[in-house]
Amino acid sequence: DAKTTQPPSMDCAEGRAANLPCNHSTISGNEYVYWYRQIHSQGPQYIIHGLKNNETNEMASLIITEDRKSSTLILPHATLRDTAVYYCIVRVAEGGKLIFGQGTELSVKP
Amino acid sequence: GAGVSQSPSNKVTEKGKDVELRCDPISGHTALYWYRQSLGQGLEFLIYFQGNSAPDKSGLPSDRFSAERTGGSVSTLTIQRTQQEDSAVYLCASSLLLRLAGLRNQETQYFGPGTRLLVL
Repeated sequence: DAKTTQPPSMDCAEGRAANLPCNHSTISGNEYVYWYRQIHSQGPQYIIHGLKNNETNEMASLIITEDRKSSTLILPHATLRDTAVYYCIVRVAEGGKLIFGQGTELSVKP
Repeated sequence: GAGVSQSPSNKVTEKGKDVELRCDPISGHTALYWYRQSLGQGLEFLIYFQGNSAPDKSGLPSDRFSAERTGGSVSTLTIQRTQQEDSAVYLCASSLLLRLAGLRNQETQYFGPGTRLLVL
């Protein structure tokens, strides 16, 4: 079973920030938080990952709480092309399978 | 650079036939994964290769499913005597474990576009 909990769906207005929450209260000290997204009919796309510090790249920012029991993925200026299912996954960084939950279906609306 | 490629992109077969699905990982990636996604379902892990060996086959649903990897590169997933419930998108991913300072190891999986299998 997935070790994360995400809301099943969210809406966001185009141009606004999309904030996607994830709860991972049983995360272990050596587990990272990974975010992937899957646009309809495509393979999952890596977005970002982090251990305990906040991370930012060209796609998104990842905010991890100090106790590491939850995190938020931020898409700063959502576009229609960001409409996708977003998956939050916790795993060790040493290799091994990704366990996908149901994810959050984000709909960006004009 | 080139990403993960999979072939065929679509496959229609009759129940009882065997099928082979191919994955070409990103050059230099030592790890290779197979997943599948049935209609309206989440992604389900099948098997993981590190080099040519498979340390985790726990996701293969039955002995009709097998996979091999040769030369540490291309992998083939074979489904024998296909059943209608095998219909799904089969996804391949590859990765490279980067051992960085300060225990900040990184291992990010990059996915291919998938093979859509339909068993009639």
